[in-house]
Amino acid sequence: KAGVTQTPRYLIKTRGQQVTLSCSPISGHRSVSWYQQTPGQGLQFLFEYFSETQRNKGNFPGRFSGRQFSNSRSEMNVSTLELGDSALYLCASSPGLAGAGDTQYFGPGTRLTVL
Amino acid sequence: GNSVTQMEGPVTLSEEAFLTINCTYTATGYPSLFWYVQYPGEGLQLLLKATKADDKGSNKGFEATYRKETTSFHLEKGSVQVSDSAVYFCALSDRRDDKIIFGKGTRLHILP
Repeated sequence: KAGVTQTPRYLIKTRGQQVTLSCSPISGHRSVSWYQQTPGQGLQFLFEYFSETQRNKGNFPGRFSGRQFSNSRSEMNVSTLELGDSALYLCASSPGLAGAGDTQYFGPGTRLTVL
Repeated sequence: GNSVTQMEGPVTLSEEAFLTINCTYTATGYPSLFWYVQYPGEGLQLLLKATKADDKGSNKGFEATYRKETTSFHLEKGSVQVSDSAVYFCALSDRRDDKIIFGKGTRLHILP
C-alpha cells in the first residue's frame, strides 16, 4: 500500500506570495490533518479534514486554509506569506478521525522557505 | 483542556545505555496515548500506542505503559543503538473532542 505523499517536497517563495501544498493520503483513509513544524514552536496542529469537512482547526490566522476533495486528497493554502511561515509542513492521514485513537500516517513533508 | 508534557532534550546517551523519556498528560476523559518517532529528513511514524489504563505498548525494543494513577506514558528501551537517534513525540488523542495533541518532542542522540 502506498504511503502518504506530499508535493512539492521543497518550495521557495518570497514574502507576500501565496502557496498551495498538496497531500495524497493512504487509499481508504478519510481523514487528513496538517501540521506546521518549526525548531522554535515544535509541531503545531493546523487543521483536520474528514470526508471533505473541516473537523478541527488549530490556532493559526485566516491566511492558512485548506480543503479536501471527494477522493480524500487535500490541499493547504497559505496566502500573503510571511518570513515566519518558513517551516516543514506535514500531512498525516488516518482511517478515521485523529481524535478517535486511530494511528496517523505521516508524509515526508514539504519544506517551505520564505525569503 | 488536554495537554502533553514531555522532557526537554536533547538527550545524549552512549550506545547500549538504558533510555527513559518522560511523558505526562492531562486529560478529562480516557485518552489513547502514542509515541511517534521522526528520523532525520522524514515525517513522523508511529512507534507504539496504548488505548487504556495499564496497557503496555511495545515495538523495536521500546516500551511504554499507560499509567492512569500517575498520568504518565514514559518511553523506555533497555539498550539503545546509534540508529535510535531521532526526535520522539508523545501524543494523546481524545474521543471527547476528536483531537490529537502532540508534545514538543525530545531529540535523542546516541553516541557510538
